[in-house]
Amino acid sequence: GQNIDQPTEMTATEGAIVQINCTYQTSGFNGLFWYQQHAGEAPTFLSYNVLDGLEEKGRFSSFLSRSKGYSYLLLKELQMKDSASYLCAVSILTGGGNKLTFGTGTQLKVEL
Amino acid sequence: GAGVSQSPSNKVTEKGKDVELRCDPISGHTALYWYRQSLGQGLEFLIYFQGNSAPDKSGLPSDRFSAERTGGSVSTLTIQRTQQEDSAVYLCASSLRREAGEQFFGPGTRLTVL
Repeated sequence: GQNIDQPTEMTATEGAIVQINCTYQTSGFNGLFWYQQHAGEAPTFLSYNVLDGLEEKGRFSSFLSRSKGYSYLLLKELQMKDSASYLCAVSILTGGGNKLTFGTGTQLKVEL
Repeated sequence: GAGVSQSPSNKVTEKGKDVELRCDPISGHTALYWYRQSLGQGLEFLIYFQGNSAPDKSGLPSDRFSAERTGGSVSTLTIQRTQQEDSAVYLCASSLRREAGEQFFGPGTRLTVL
């Protein structure tokens, strides 16, 4: 089966940098996704890593180490609107397609 | 359409009743997924469609749950004889093809079973 772990909640200050970690144990790994979910809304795509290394996209960066089963999402220049749940999801390509298994999410609170 | 749409947005039903949830994926997306999110929990995979076929039904929690997709587009998730533990937000997502990474989510249907 799959096991994905991420912190339940984090608090950070506006303008600062925060790193949200995710560790996973899975078979048939086909990539790792980060999604953002504001309360009462659907998840929206942030990033996708399939190879080791850092992917940067504006204020958001995501890192993957496949050998360690580890990823992190880095948010820079935090804004109040970044307060949301951040979901780590592991993709497994099976005969049934691209199946995502989600962690329980990290609730980030950005404070003044 | 511009995005994934789901209906109804909210559904309140009595225990034992059947409910039907609808998902309309992004036009041209061949892959469609159903997830369930209970309060404070992560997303739980339910079922996946490629075209009209469902090669992966492994996530359906019981035989009270079924889903179908017709015309390679709209999908319906049916829950028979609903139980209180079925209360959750049911999310639908679609992607361009089976191998495509990014899944686009609909706004979800909040189901409350009294």
